Amino acid sequence: GQQVMQIPQYQHVQEGEDFTTYCNSSTTLSNIQWYKQRPGGHPVFLIQLVKSGEVKKQKRLTFQFGEAKKNSSLHITATQTTDVGTYFCAGGNTDKLIFGTGTRLQVFP
Amino acid sequence: EAQVTQNPRYLITVTGKKLTVTCSQNMNHEYMSWYRQDPGLGLRQIYYSMNVEVTDKGDVPEGYKVSRKEKRNFPLILESPSPNQTSLYFCASWTGRPGNTIYFGEGSWLTVV
Repeated sequence: GQQVMQIPQYQHVQEGEDFTTYCNSSTTLSNIQWYKQRPGGHPVFLIQLVKSGEVKKQKRLTFQFGEAKKNSSLHITATQTTDVGTYFCAGGNTDKLIFGTGTRLQVFP
Repeated sequence: EAQVTQNPRYLITVTGKKLTVTCSQNMNHEYMSWYRQDPGLGLRQIYYSMNVEVTDKGDVPEGYKVSRKEKRNFPLILESPSPNQTSLYFCASWTGRPGNTIYFGEGSWLTVV
């Protein structure tokens, strides 16, 4: 069945350093969504990418969707302590969104 | 305010004692789903529903039942809970239209001893 893998599983950075998480699907995705889950919280929608090669930015966050629509990345520039949490990608179709395993980000001040 | 409400938020129960986790959404969403979250495994879909009386299995449906008698409610039933069902459970809802957002409930911590 379809699988969505995310790397790395954990990442510890010093505040101000950059951070990137990568998402890879075993099949072509119609779209990909990114979610953030703060410690003790629930996943919250960040963004959706639909087009091949699409790049979207939200302040210090840059999201990319691969040309083959099988991979995606989230890059955070100059991390802050408020960026702490687990970042999930999710891809698939309307009925069945498959979530990646998540990348847990820890930011040290 | 758009909300997905789950209850209970925390529960410790014993093996074999039937329990139900309720989920309600106030956004008139067609789609609802249950996920479980376990360390290193991310969010895995248990069951989902496309509309009233329409449900389907997700990736890990064994040991669970669901029903969708009303659009707003989507309870998760554990007929005979076992310790391997100890997990964090999330209910979610969405419209099903392209580009829409999935809204998650706050989660239910379930421990089966």
